Amino acid sequence: ETGVTQSPTHLIKTRGQQVTLRCSSQSGHNTVSWYQQALGQGPQFIFQYYREEENGRGNFPPRFSGLQFPNYSSELNVNALELDDSALYLCASSLVSYNEQFFGPGTRLTVL
Amino acid sequence: GESVGLHLPTLSVQEGDNSIINCAYSNSASDYFIWYKQESGKGPQFIIDIRSNMDKRQGQRVTVLLNKTVKHLSLQIAATQPGDSAVYFCAEDLGETSGSRLTFGEGTQLTVNP
Repeated sequence: ETGVTQSPTHLIKTRGQQVTLRCSSQSGHNTVSWYQQALGQGPQFIFQYYREEENGRGNFPPRFSGLQFPNYSSELNVNALELDDSALYLCASSLVSYNEQFFGPGTRLTVL
Repeated sequence: GESVGLHLPTLSVQEGDNSIINCAYSNSASDYFIWYKQESGKGPQFIIDIRSNMDKRQGQRVTVLLNKTVKHLSLQIAATQPGDSAVYFCAEDLGETSGSRLTFGEGTQLTVNP
C-alpha cells in the first residue's frame, strides 16, 4: 500500500452530470497528479498540483478542473460528463514535483 | 505527439523463467524512466526507475536497462513467479521543465504459468 487514498471507489453518473473525486496524498507529499486510465490503456496525465497551484496540464478540456488544499489533499472535478469520461481515475502523490509518484487505487467512473 | 510504446501487448512465461518486457520511447529529451506493475483493480505500483545518466539499474529480482542510442528500455524479471502476473507499464518523465508529468505506454500483460 502506498498511503494514497481515493474516494469513492466506484460511482455511476449520467451524461451531463458533474462529479467530484477526492484524493488524500501520502503523508508529507506536497504534489498530487491526476491521471485518466481508459480500459486497456495506460494512464493519461490530466494535471498536477504543487503547493495548491496547478503545475502542468495535459490535453484535457477545461471541464476537467482541480483543487489542492492546504493539507495537500486534492479534488478532481469533471463537468458536463460525457460517455468517454468513463475510466479509472488515478491520483499520485510525490514529495516534490520531480520525483517518484505513488499511486492510489483509483476511482472507477461509469457514465451512462 | 511524443509517446512511449511497448513492443508486445502480451507475454506468457513459465514459472521460474526469466521475463523481459520491452519499451520504446520517442522523446530524446526524457531523462527519467519508471516501470510500474498494475494488478487488476489496483493502481500502478512502482517497480524500479532509472535516470538518463545510467544504463542499468538493479533491484530485487528486477533489472532495468536503458539504451539511449536506440531509445529503448527493458525490464527483466528473474525467476518469474505467479504473483508477477500483471500489466506492466513503462513511463517517461521529461523532468522539471515539463512540470513532471508521466507519459505511459499501453502496457504489456504478463502471464506466468505454473
